[in-house]
Amino acid sequence: QVQLVQSGAEVKKPGASVKVSCKASGYTFSTYYINWVRQAPGQGLEWMGIINPDGGSTSYAQRLQGRVTMTSDTSTNTVYMELSSLRSEDSAVYYCAREDHDSGSGLDVWGKGTTVTVSS
Amino acid sequence: QSVLTQPPSASGTPGQRVNISCSGSSSNIGFNIVSWYQKFPGTAPKLLIYADNHRPSGVPDRFSGSKSGTSASLVISGLQSEDEAEYYCAAWDDSLNGDLFFGGGTKLTVL
Repeated sequence: QVQLVQSGAEVKKPGASVKVSCKASGYTFSTYYINWVRQAPGQGLEWMGIINPDGGSTSYAQRLQGRVTMTSDTSTNTVYMELSSLRSEDSAVYYCAREDHDSGSGLDVWGKGTTVTVSS
Repeated sequence: QSVLTQPPSASGTPGQRVNISCSGSSSNIGFNIVSWYQKFPGTAPKLLIYADNHRPSGVPDRFSGSKSGTSASLVISGLQSEDEAEYYCAAWDDSLNGDLFFGGGTKLTVL
């Protein structure tokens, strides 16, 4: 079945970086974009950016530009999201979600989420 | 202040019809398609509506979406207790770096 499997929870210190993975299976990896969305405790959903695994082109949320990097590895059907210069406000659950970007079919399959805790 | 504005809460009794609004502008809802997501605590969001008013397979037809101008709506008919969740609208915005924006979310309580 179609699924996105994310890496496990992380605890990081302020100023460090975190890299979260999202492994896709059950569909043709290159035909769907992957979005990253996060939710801080008690807050709403926040879009972080999108990557086209076919070629690796990216677009990042304006407020995160300079701190976020998304990459893809087509040999393992895995997408990575790295967030640097972590601060306490980056503590959140991070989700990857696929999207057929050109058809406008929404973010239709989501990973279960990865909890990132930033604490000294 | 969210780019897309939703009421923070909504409520209804079983069997009722509930409408959740999402207000935007000409650069997002007015120009791009809207999707809706259902989220329960501790679980990933689930796509309910895409391209303004289309339901993915498996989503009950009690859920429907519509759009007019710079506003969109999610309607839940025949409300059920298991519909108690947080609901988010989303749309791309062509004027703000082309980012995808989510509304602030609406917590639906089934009384």
